[in-house]
Amino acid sequence: EAQVTQNPRYLITVTGKKLTVTCSQNMNHEYMSWYRQDPGLGLRQIYYSMNVEVTDKGDVPEGYKVSRKEKRNFPLILESPSPNQTSLYFCATKTGSLSYEQYFGPGTRLTVT
Amino acid sequence: QKEVEQNSGPLSVPEGAIASLNCTYSDRGSQSFFWYRQYSGKSPELIMFIYSNGDKEDGRFTAQLNKASQYVSLLIRDSQPSDSATYLCAVTRGLIQGAQKLVFGQGTRLTINP
Repeated sequence: EAQVTQNPRYLITVTGKKLTVTCSQNMNHEYMSWYRQDPGLGLRQIYYSMNVEVTDKGDVPEGYKVSRKEKRNFPLILESPSPNQTSLYFCATKTGSLSYEQYFGPGTRLTVT
Repeated sequence: QKEVEQNSGPLSVPEGAIASLNCTYSDRGSQSFFWYRQYSGKSPELIMFIYSNGDKEDGRFTAQLNKASQYVSLLIRDSQPSDSATYLCAVTRGLIQGAQKLVFGQGTRLTINP
């Protein structure tokens, strides 16, 4: 079954404690990205990756890091989380950088206290 | 001005009626337009996309695009309670460093009343 998985699905943490949210896809998609979703602001892109070892900033990259060492995985790293990073995070993939249809993971709800 | 604007709602429509969802965008260079449906607590799923001016129909859904007015809409005919969800409008920003990037509106919450 084609799918995008994220872990953890829910996380409550404290300010400053480093965390990683994993994203994995089994569709052999080249393009992967991370979004955050906040009430009234919609989905905003954090980082994206057009292929292995190729990543770039989206619209709201501050406070986040990513890496793409394998095609199937695209982890999102928060080195020092702050309360303003409390949000719902989605990983999304698509076939290639020029394709349109994105497939979203199930989401990770993060709370930073 | 936001790049993509939607009325956040909630929009309440009786079962069986037509639900009309609207979206405006600011970038005249945008080429492709998408409607995603998001149930509460779930991830967005693509339901329609449109590239050309005019209407595009898929079952009970019709997407309408007017590039001159920078306006895109989604009509849902014979609305069902299962259509109750948040509908996200998304617009391509154009090629940036070889990638098609999507910009999302804040979403319109639709409730279908039995």
